Amino acid sequence: GAVVSQHPSRVICKSGTSVKIECRSLDFQATTMFWYRQFPKKSLMLMATSNEGSKATYEQGVEKDKFLINHASLTLSTLTVTSAHPEDSSFYICSGFRDTEAFFGQGTRLTVV
Amino acid sequence: QKEVEQDPGPLSVPEGAIVSLNCTYSNSAFQYFMWYRQYSRKGPELLMYTYSSGNKEDGRFTAQVDKSSKYISLFIRDSQPSDSATYLCAMSFTGGGNKLTFGTGTQLKVEL
Repeated sequence: GAVVSQHPSRVICKSGTSVKIECRSLDFQATTMFWYRQFPKKSLMLMATSNEGSKATYEQGVEKDKFLINHASLTLSTLTVTSAHPEDSSFYICSGFRDTEAFFGQGTRLTVV
Repeated sequence: QKEVEQDPGPLSVPEGAIVSLNCTYSNSAFQYFMWYRQYSRKGPELLMYTYSSGNKEDGRFTAQVDKSSKYISLFIRDSQPSDSATYLCAMSFTGGGNKLTFGTGTQLKVEL
């Protein structure tokens, strides 16, 4: 299957700092990528849709100034958690579509201390 | 009411058992149905993908979609300890911008 690479897999940061998460489609071009957040033993909640060359589309209740998304190329989307707080600690996952199938990155476990 | 309902489990079965996992949904516009397997602290991995109603088989896995009942199933035959994971159903529809709506996931444990 298609490969979506997400980095880093795990990050610990201090409260108030910013963290950048990268998502790359390695063997296909993705004009759109999706960013999810997953709490323990819960399902994936869509945060935003990343669009190459244009602004991201955020789901209701997601602060766009806190979760900055950049999709500068057809193979790279980044999510930056700005001024992170402990309540931002979670598992973040990106995905991209090849044809009609969604492929997911490995996920990033963010811990804010 | 959630758009997609899935029993969170946990579901514990002996090795070799047939496992049945299910989701119900309320939005009749859904046309594409997927099952993902997620191991602890990893991203979801696509297992099965079906379009509209019908059955699809791949090795030990069979996916069924009944659009009239808004009900989908995943069957795992001859279950193995390596099948222990969380199984997520997901759905989308044409014109939905490729957005997936997920179930909560069912945690499965296959015991020796």
